[in-house]
Amino acid sequence: DAGVIQSPRHEVTEMGQEVTLRCKPISGHNSLFWYRQTMMRGLELLIYFNNNVPIDDSGMPEDRFSAKMPNASFSTLKIQPSEPRDSAVYFCASRRRGPSGELFFGEGSRLTVL
Amino acid sequence: DQQVKQNSPSLSVQEGRISILNCDYTNSMFDYFLWYKKYPAEGPTFLISISSIKDKNEDGRFTVFLNKSAKHLSLHIVPSQPGDSAVYFCAASGERHEGGGSNYKLTFGKGTLLTVNP
Repeated sequence: DAGVIQSPRHEVTEMGQEVTLRCKPISGHNSLFWYRQTMMRGLELLIYFNNNVPIDDSGMPEDRFSAKMPNASFSTLKIQPSEPRDSAVYFCASRRRGPSGELFFGEGSRLTVL
Repeated sequence: DQQVKQNSPSLSVQEGRISILNCDYTNSMFDYFLWYKKYPAEGPTFLISISSIKDKNEDGRFTVFLNKSAKHLSLHIVPSQPGDSAVYFCAASGERHEGGGSNYKLTFGKGTLLTVNP
């Protein structure tokens, strides 16, 4: 199994630019999560999808953030326009259908906004 | 408002000794708890979990204890090894079911950096 695949691993951009982070979940997993990790707030849930449908986006900080899951094997997290305070590591995670079980995380996308 | 709290940002122990990482939660709807381990430049990986119907779950050197009345759980690592040095995240969920599926999210604490000294 290839695991959760995220791209890019590192992104450095200037304030005001659009940023798109990508995620391919593990095949067969039906839930997908986007988390953000910062020193101040730890791991924060931004949004999660169940069967490609957004279930809870209450963690999305502002309208500048948007996420899509057009099919079961692909999701994007977009920030437009980006700001320096968006600098963080963004993790994508997926889990399979069934009783409570663990999330499988990707290696993360480290975003730096100058 | 942090629903899952890890009040110790860091912990340092000697190799061979016991490591005890603590976690408190406030939401009484949480019924499933997990610990994740994270090395630098990697994503968190699942370590061990416990359902609210239990008070202890053991897996090799790792044991998780749950005290529901105190809304507290802890992770014990014994004996601790240098390779255990990592950030440990506590997470909690309250499962909801819709149409036979499962619908839940994990709420994480801020993490505790464990350093095991040789």
